[in-house]
Amino acid sequence: QKEVEQDPGPLSVPEGAIVSLNCTYSNSAFQYFMWYRQYSRKGPELLMYTYSSGNKEDGRFTAQVDKSSKYISLFIRDSQPSDSATYLCAMSAVAGTALIFGKGTTLSVSS
Amino acid sequence: AAGVIQSPRHLIKEKRETATLKCYPIPRHDTVYWYQQGPGQDPQFLISFYEKMQSDKGSIPDRFSAQQFSDYHSELNMSSLELGDSALYFCASRWRGSSSYNEQFFGPGTRLTVL
Repeated sequence: QKEVEQDPGPLSVPEGAIVSLNCTYSNSAFQYFMWYRQYSRKGPELLMYTYSSGNKEDGRFTAQVDKSSKYISLFIRDSQPSDSATYLCAMSAVAGTALIFGKGTTLSVSS
Repeated sequence: AAGVIQSPRHLIKEKRETATLKCYPIPRHDTVYWYQQGPGQDPQFLISFYEKMQSDKGSIPDRFSAQQFSDYHSELNMSSLELGDSALYFCASRWRGSSSYNEQFFGPGTRLTVL
């Protein structure tokens, strides 16, 4: 079993929809959580990062961490066709150490 | 804002050849990470450097080596290339003094194809 599980999708939604992306993990030591967006054949782009539990909002994006359930989420409000990409969750236990990634969820937003 | 620079962007090699990938971190960043992403796979950590010293090691084959130089750029040297080495190789950088977070900023990657 992988340390980080993420439904690969694909996930298809109409423009304007609210999108929910999720990851579960098994290592209770993880406390740094990140979401990356990756367009085809490009490098991962850091979208959101959170430390420990709680919520963080940035524009149309909200990241949530529930450490008791070992579950993290990324919500995208008012989704746009430009949001079509693969979304990767990543996490680590200690600052400065390697990130453990989920497999990524492919999102397609149609206009 | 300046980003992580990787060169070359594309590389085609034959089996058993060698390859060198270069990474130039964001200015002021002192930590460099190398990841390998196979087709349809998530990035897998290879190795990292902090202040020119190896700081962590992941699933890097013995045929690969890497180092970080005094200007903080890093090179990944790959020898005796195999077909299975065909992948996207990403470099990420971070500044340890930035915050308590572990945010790593990724470059555009080098696509290596081994024929």
